[in-house]
This record gives sequence, structure tokens and C-alpha cells, in this order.
Amino acid sequence: GNSVTQMEGPVTLSEEAFLTINCTYTATGYPSLFWYVQYPGEGLQLLLKATKADDKGSNKGFEATYRKETTSFHLEKGSVQVSDSAVYFCALIPGGNQFYFGTGTSLTVIP
Amino acid sequence: DSGVTQTPKHLITATGQRVTLRCSPRSGDLSVYWYQQSLDQGLQFLIQYYNGEERAKGNILERFSAQQFPDLHSELNLSSLELGDSALYFCASSVVGTGVYGYTFGSGTRLTVV
Repeated sequence: GNSVTQMEGPVTLSEEAFLTINCTYTATGYPSLFWYVQYPGEGLQLLLKATKADDKGSNKGFEATYRKETTSFHLEKGSVQVSDSAVYFCALIPGGNQFYFGTGTSLTVIP
Repeated sequence: DSGVTQTPKHLITATGQRVTLRCSPRSGDLSVYWYQQSLDQGLQFLIQYYNGEERAKGNILERFSAQQFPDLHSELNLSSLELGDSALYFCASSVVGTGVYGYTFGSGTRLTVV
């Protein structure tokens, strides 16, 4: 089947720290992989995506590389800001219409 | 503003009642997706419509139904409500019939069943 496993939160970091949020997946076929971000009181926003193995998605200083050999899509950012505080969701779509989301990882960045 | 409009933003109702949630997709998008977000279940796909036709079905209860109208807005009907139906309901839209390029999400309707 299809599923996404994210590291448990919450994660608390100081401003300018390095961020890694782990994500691994199980999928049939060759899925596209995504990271979505949800700010308090808002819907999910697409942060970045990768559609095939070895692709790197990047946006707003965040990066994730599609690793087929380790079935992973870890999210990284070199220097987090207070404004990055949000919940981050890893997701996959195995080529159809339905996203499979991870459980979300809450990030709090303190000044 | 993502361009996907959901109304109402908040809804409080009693058990056994019926409610309707409304979603207007982003201009030009033909597909509408409904998701339920709860603390214990996470984000669960409910149903997708594409240009007025049901395209895919997920974990949608029989008490729930949806439709997409000719102007492409969609409604999610929840009936015989139970306490466990309390959740955030998100609508998302995409241009094409598949989500492989990503969705645009609305800000959600928070349903509280008391």
C-alpha cells in the first residue's frame, strides 16, 4: 500500500539552527513527493515537490531530495527563522488522484 | 489568499443534525478534493470531483455525500452527525484531474459537533 511516515514532533529550534524533518514512504509504482506547510488557522500550502528519483525540490530556503534507494524525502533548511514555525506535512501521490499525508511535524522556532 | 474559498469558517451543531460545507475552487481549476483533518486520524482523503463527475473516493462515510455543480463549486453534506465528526474539513482544487502537480488548499471549515 501507500503510506508516509514522518518524524514525531514537536520540534523546537533556536533561530538560525539547522532543520531536518525526516520522511520515509512506502508506495506502489513511482510516486511524486511533496512537502506541505500549515500555518496556524490556515490551509495547507505547497512548499516543494519532486516528481522522480534524485530530483531536488526547493523553495524559500527549504530543500528535499527524492531518494528512491532509501525511500526518503527529508526536509532540510540551513537556518530557520521564527516565521518558519508551522506544521509540516510530507505527502505522496502515487500517480492517481489521492494524496497520502504523513501525520505532520510541528516546528517551533524561538528567537 | 489561496483562491480556494470555503464557507463557513466555523460551524457548531448538535449530534444528529445535518450540515453543508461549501467550496469554490480556484479560478480555472476543474477538480475539487475534500479532506478531513482530525487529531487522531490526520489528513484523510474523502472524495474528488472533476468537472462535475465523481473521480475518486476515499474514506468517506455513507452519512457523507458531495457534489460538484456546473459552476464548479462543490458542497460536502454531512448528516446524522456524531461527536467523532468534529474536525477540520479542507477543500482543495487543481487544474487537471490528477493531483500530481499539487493541490491548492482552502483555509478549511472547522466543524464542532456537540
